[in-house]
Formats: sequence, structure tokens, C-alpha cells
Amino acid sequence: RKEVEQDPGPFNVPEGATVAFNCTYSNSASQSFFWYRQDCRKEPKLLMSVYSSGNEDGRFTAQLNRASQYISLLIRDSKLSDSATYLCVVNYTGTASKLTFGTGTRLQVTL
Amino acid sequence: DAGVTQSPTHLIKTRGQHVTLRCSPISGHKSVSWYQQVLGQGPQFIFQYYEKEERGRGNFPDRFSARQFPNYSSELNVNALLLGDSALYLCASVTGTGFFTTSTDTQYFGPGTRLTVL
Repeated sequence: RKEVEQDPGPFNVPEGATVAFNCTYSNSASQSFFWYRQDCRKEPKLLMSVYSSGNEDGRFTAQLNRASQYISLLIRDSKLSDSATYLCVVNYTGTASKLTFGTGTRLQVTL
Repeated sequence: DAGVTQSPTHLIKTRGQHVTLRCSPISGHKSVSWYQQVLGQGPQFIFQYYEKEERGRGNFPDRFSARQFPNYSSELNVNALLLGDSALYLCASVTGTGFFTTSTDTQYFGPGTRLTVL
């Protein structure tokens, strides 16, 4: 089983739609969680950190369910500029902070 | 403030050669991590350095090595290049001690070095 699993998509949604991505992780000792956004051939950029049960930033809401070991990202009122790959990231801190990335979920927002 | 810088941006090498990639973290950040991103996959952790010491290593062969300098910049070296080493190599600058223990701890990626091995 992969450490971090995401549906690769693509998710094709019209502008203004609400879309949700789920991500599951296998290490129950994972301590912190992130969503990154990556545009084609660019570096990942931090979208949101999730340290407690959830976080909200404008149109973006992340939720964490430790019991079921999944994290979700909800995007409301999708914009064309939201088109990107969304990477779910899980951190387990042992002797190092090793961020483990999912393969990403591709979102395409259309007119 | 300058973000994370990496050089070179692109590199083409042939099998068996050696490559050195460079990274300068954000000013004030003492921890640097390296990741490899193969097309269609998420980044994979290679190394983390903090205060010039290797703190952690991912599942990569000994052909991969790195170091961190007193000014916190870092180099990633790959020997005996294989075709499968073709990837985007990302350097990340990590806040604080490099452990993600508070809600303000985060990691910023540089633009990456795109390595092609022929």
C-alpha cells in the first residue's frame, strides 16, 4: 500500500463548481499534513497546512480525519486559475522531517 | 526577500557522468531538503540537512550524496548517472529547526533543476 494515496483524476469541472479531493495515508503516526499546488513544469507551492482537524483559507477548506487517516481539500467557486495538480503531503517526524507526497490529483476548470 | 534559488535550471548529461546541483535557501533558514520528481509522480524525499549535518535520507542509492555549507547553501551530487535519474530535482528551504512541529513551520521549494540523462 502506498504511504499517501490520491485519485490522479483528472477532475474536469465548470467554473463556479465546488470540487473535493480526498487523500489517504498509511502511517498512523503521521503528525502534520499539507496541500500543495503544482502548475505544469513548475515547483510545488504550499496551499495549506493542516495541523489540527482542519483549516480554511478563502475558497479552500482542508479537513483531517485522523481516525480514518484521510485528508480532504474542498475548493468552492472554482476559477480557471485553479487548474493545476494538487499534491497531498504527509509528514512523519522521526530523526528527520520527511515529507511524503502523493502522486497528485489533476484539476481542470473549464468555462 | 529572495526565495529559494537553484542552479542550473536545466542540465543534459550522458549515462555514467556525474552531476552537481546547487541550492541556496531563504535567508535565515538553516534546513534544506532535496527531492526528486519524476514525470507523473509526486516529489520523493532524498535528503534533509540541518546546520550542516545530514538529518535524514530517503530510499536512494549511495550514488546520491549531498552536503550543506556554513552559509546553509547545499549541493546534491549524483554519480554514475542512469537514464532513470532523469527528473526534476527540487530543493526546499525549511523554516525553524526543520521539524514541522508548529502551525507556522513550512517548506518552500525552489524552481528546481531539470536533469535529462541521455
